[in-house]
This record gives sequence, structure tokens and C-alpha cells, in this order.
Amino acid sequence: AQKITQTQPGMFVQEKEAVTLDCTYDTSDQSYGLFWYKQPSSGEMIFLIYQGSYDEQNATEGRYSLNFQKARKSANLVISASQLGDSAMYFCAMSHDGGYNKLIFGAGTRLAVHP
Amino acid sequence: NAGVTQTPKFRVLKTGQSMTLLCAQDMNHEYMYWYRQDPGMGLRLIHYSVGEGTTAKGEVPDGYNVSRLKKQNFLLGLESAAPSQTSVYFCASSYPLSSGYTDTQYFGPGTRLTVL
Repeated sequence: AQKITQTQPGMFVQEKEAVTLDCTYDTSDQSYGLFWYKQPSSGEMIFLIYQGSYDEQNATEGRYSLNFQKARKSANLVISASQLGDSAMYFCAMSHDGGYNKLIFGAGTRLAVHP
Repeated sequence: NAGVTQTPKFRVLKTGQSMTLLCAQDMNHEYMYWYRQDPGMGLRLIHYSVGEGTTAKGEVPDGYNVSRLKKQNFLLGLESAAPSQTSVYFCASSYPLSSGYTDTQYFGPGTRLTVL
């Protein structure tokens, strides 16, 4: 069965520093997608970045990059130059082949950015 | 484009009451989903739909029903609400992966439901 594990319930980082949020996944599928979503205190789910299982290059979106290590089944999110507005919950999620894009979510990591 | 909208934003029910949550999307997405989020947990899939007139069960479907009469709308119903259904409910939509577009799901703002 597919599973997403986020082992860091909470993280903090100083403003302008980089931070890595960990995500490991378990699947027997060959084709799958990995996603990161941000949930600020206002509650909405904001899409950040996507990595396909066949993509050889790590995905990047502005200050966000996804460190994809397929053999280790990890998909860590790296936020560079943290800003106060990055304080939020971050969820890793996976969709799987033939699963109609159904997402499986991890429990999330709460990030606090300190000035 | 409004994206994905949900009504209502908040609702308080008494045990045994019924209600319907409405989700609407204006992105012409084929797929739509309902998730629930409980404290300290990620989102869990309740039901989903891969097209108008079709629905299927997700991970936690018990106590819920859904309908997709129009492509742009996806309704979630609670026939007899229970305190265990107190949660935040999110609707999402996406293109199929086969469409050639990214299959990223885009979420509505959520509905906070309390069942007393």
C-alpha cells in the first residue's frame, strides 16, 4: 500500500536561511507523482511543486526545489531564503499510476520562520 | 477565474441532522475530489469523481454520499451527521494525467463543520 511519511512534526528556521522538509514514500508503482502543498494559518491548501517519477531533473519553482532521490524513495522540499510568510504547515503527497490522481498525504510539518 | 469554490465556509450541525456541501470549479477539470482533514493529520480522501455522472469511494467514505450531476459541481452529503464527522472538508479538482496537462489538484478554501 502507498504511504507518505513526514518525520518532522515541527521545524524552525531563521529568516533568510534555507530549510529542508523531509518526505519519504512507499509505493510499488512505477509511475507516480509527488507534490508539496502549503497550508497557512488561514487554512487553504496552496500547491507549491510537483515531481513526476520519471523526471530525471529535480523540480524547481522559485525559492522551492524538490530533492528527489528515487532509490531512497525520498522527496524533500527545500525552501531557500526563508521568509516570515513561509511559516505554515507543509504537506507532502503522492498520486499513483491508475489511481485517478488520488492523493495520499503525509501528516505534515509545521514550519516556523523566526526573524 | 474563481478556481475552486466551496459553500458554506462554516456550519454547525446537531447529531442526526443532514446537510450538503457544494463544490464548484470553473477550470473545466474532469476529476473532482472530497477530502477531510482532522487535527494533526493530513487530508484523507472521502469520495471522488472522474467525470459527470460518475462517483467512487475513497479511503473514508462511510457516512457520506456524493453526486456529480454537472461537470463543474461536486456535492458531498451527510445524511445523519455524527460528532466523528467534525472536520474541515476540502474539495479539489484536476485534469486527468492522460489529458497532457499536469494532474495537479487545486483545492477550494475548505468548509469547517462542527457536529454537536
